Amino acid sequence: KQEVTQIPAALSVPEGENLVLNCSFTDSAIYNLQWFRQDPGKGLTSLLLIQSSQREQTSGRLNASLDKSSGRSTLYIAASQPGDSATYLCAVPEYGNKLVFGAGTILRVKS
Amino acid sequence: DAEITQSPRHKITETGRQVTLACHQTWNHNNMFWYRQDLGHGLRLIHYSYGVQDTNKGEVSDGYSVSRSNTEDLPLTLESAASSQTSVYFCASSEGTGLRRDTEAFFGQGTRLTVV
Repeated sequence: KQEVTQIPAALSVPEGENLVLNCSFTDSAIYNLQWFRQDPGKGLTSLLLIQSSQREQTSGRLNASLDKSSGRSTLYIAASQPGDSATYLCAVPEYGNKLVFGAGTILRVKS
Repeated sequence: DAEITQSPRHKITETGRQVTLACHQTWNHNNMFWYRQDLGHGLRLIHYSYGVQDTNKGEVSDGYSVSRSNTEDLPLTLESAASSQTSVYFCASSEGTGLRRDTEAFFGQGTRLTVV
């Protein structure tokens, strides 16, 4: 059974810092990995989807990498801003496209 | 723009009542999913569907049911609401046939359900 772990559980940084969020998964036979953002009281917004054949995916200040063999993905946020404060979730699909989620990293960027 | 909408956004109901949460997507996606989100448990899969007339049980399906009569809608019904079903419920959809695993999932804004 796939298990997804995210480290750290919470992170507080000053504005402008570059930061890395970590996601690990136990079954490396994944087809893709998806990163989401969730604001308090809101739904999940898809940030990046990395296919298993890709090593990186970029969107603006966000860069996600995937290392299937080691069962890890990282989300890199450059020049963090207070508006980046949110919970970040990673998820991988099990058989039949059912997503298994990590518990998330709560990010606070202080101005 | 295509989207996925849930209604209501907030609901308070009494123990034992039947409750239905609506989910409507305009992506024309085959796959639809219901998750619940709870502190300490994260997001857990309740039910899912790969197309019209197809429904399947997820990890925490007891006390819930779904039906899929068209592509756009997957309503979630709590047969007899219990306090343990107080949670935030999210609907999601993704493209493709049920076994394709390379498609992006999109989520609704959630329904906060309180059972008193």
